[in-house]
Amino acid sequence: TQLLEQSPQFLSIQEGENLTVYCNSSSVFSSLQWYRQEPGEGPVLLVTVVTGGEVKKLKRLTFQFGDARKDSSLHITAAQPGDTGLYLCAGERGDDYKLSFGAGTTVTVRA
Amino acid sequence: GAVVSQHPSWVICKSGTSVKIECRSLDFQATTMFWYRQFPKQSLMLMATSNEGSKATYEQGVEKDKFLINHASLTLSTLTVTSAHPEDSSFYICSARWSNRYEQYFGPGTRLTVT
Repeated sequence: TQLLEQSPQFLSIQEGENLTVYCNSSSVFSSLQWYRQEPGEGPVLLVTVVTGGEVKKLKRLTFQFGDARKDSSLHITAAQPGDTGLYLCAGERGDDYKLSFGAGTTVTVRA
Repeated sequence: GAVVSQHPSWVICKSGTSVKIECRSLDFQATTMFWYRQFPKQSLMLMATSNEGSKATYEQGVEKDKFLINHASLTLSTLTVTSAHPEDSSFYICSARWSNRYEQYFGPGTRLTVT
């Protein structure tokens, strides 16, 4: 059983559409990070959220951390083919800095 | 900034041999490095945590005698897969962080194939 449940598992949308990926848990996290991974490469850090209720924007990407620090979402506005990839959320609970990863959401944006 | 490299990027070895993978933080001193394993179409699974100058801490189910980790300096950690078998074939990824920061920065990964 994964500590972080990501949904949906797969998402295929047309260029220009919006999408949201969810990351939920029953555990409280001290921080939560979102990564994007391309096939055959390591994950690339997109954002770190640490404060309950925090909202961060990175161009067309908006990240939210739930008030109780148990869940997070990633919203992409006007998706582009370059947004295609595996999106991973990862949470840190204690002071050992270990990350627990969600199963990932494979996003495909069709031109 | 925050660049992590891995070497080699891919390696093929014969069953029974050992393989060493290097992980380097290029522009920062990594107080902690982590080693992950990723199977196709799956997420990352933490194998071990490595702090400079001390023994690595392994996750449950990971054989420490099979996956030897050395973190000899603040910029280098190595993972040695000993007596490799085909079931050890996987994508191995390291990450690094520095003191008082939440973020982990990942290397590009090493594809190991054991024949």
